[in-house]
Amino acid sequence: GAVVSQHPSWVICKSGTSVKIECRSLDFQATTMFWYRQFPKQSLMLMATSNEGSKATYEQGVEKDKFLINHASLTLSTLTVTSAHPEDSSFYICSARDWGLATDTQYFGPGTRLTVL
Amino acid sequence: LAKTTQPISMDSYEGQEVNITCSHNNIATNDYITWYQQFPSQGPRFIIQGYKTKVTNEVASLFIPADRKSSTLSLPRVSLSDTAVYYCLVAANQAGTALIFGKGTTLSVSS
Repeated sequence: GAVVSQHPSWVICKSGTSVKIECRSLDFQATTMFWYRQFPKQSLMLMATSNEGSKATYEQGVEKDKFLINHASLTLSTLTVTSAHPEDSSFYICSARDWGLATDTQYFGPGTRLTVL
Repeated sequence: LAKTTQPISMDSYEGQEVNITCSHNNIATNDYITWYQQFPSQGPRFIIQGYKTKVTNEVASLFIPADRKSSTLSLPRVSLSDTAVYYCLVAANQAGTALIFGKGTTLSVSS
């Protein structure tokens, strides 16, 4: 299947700082990418839908000014957690939609573990 | 988006066939059924996707009855490394359609 990467795989930061997470589709172009958050022992929660060249669509309860999403190219979407606080500590996972004549599947990145001290 | 219901947990032994059934009574005409596997601290891994009848790949089989109100993921001869959470998702194959995850099924394989 198609490959999606995330960078970094883990990050530790101080409270009040900002952290940027990159999501790349390595072998296909993705006009649509999604960002999820997963807390321990819980399922994935959709945060936002990112479409290349347009503003992201955020799920209810997700602060768009805190979680900045940029999808500037067909292979890269970034999530910036601004003014991070300990409650933002979580596992952040992106997915990218591989959509073509013979396929329409979402592939997930390996995730980024964010720890805010 | 169609809501899915699947068992919270299942136990099996190595070498057995495991069947995980997912109910999606409100599935729409243009919805597809997709199964993912997730290990701790990893992103979900695509297993199989189908619309109707039976789909088979090198990893699993997916059985979908004619009314499409349920689906069954079949894992042949599981091993310890198949211990994971399995998610059944139903969504339309349309641009911008996100996957809404339920709780999934935690499969535990013992020796």
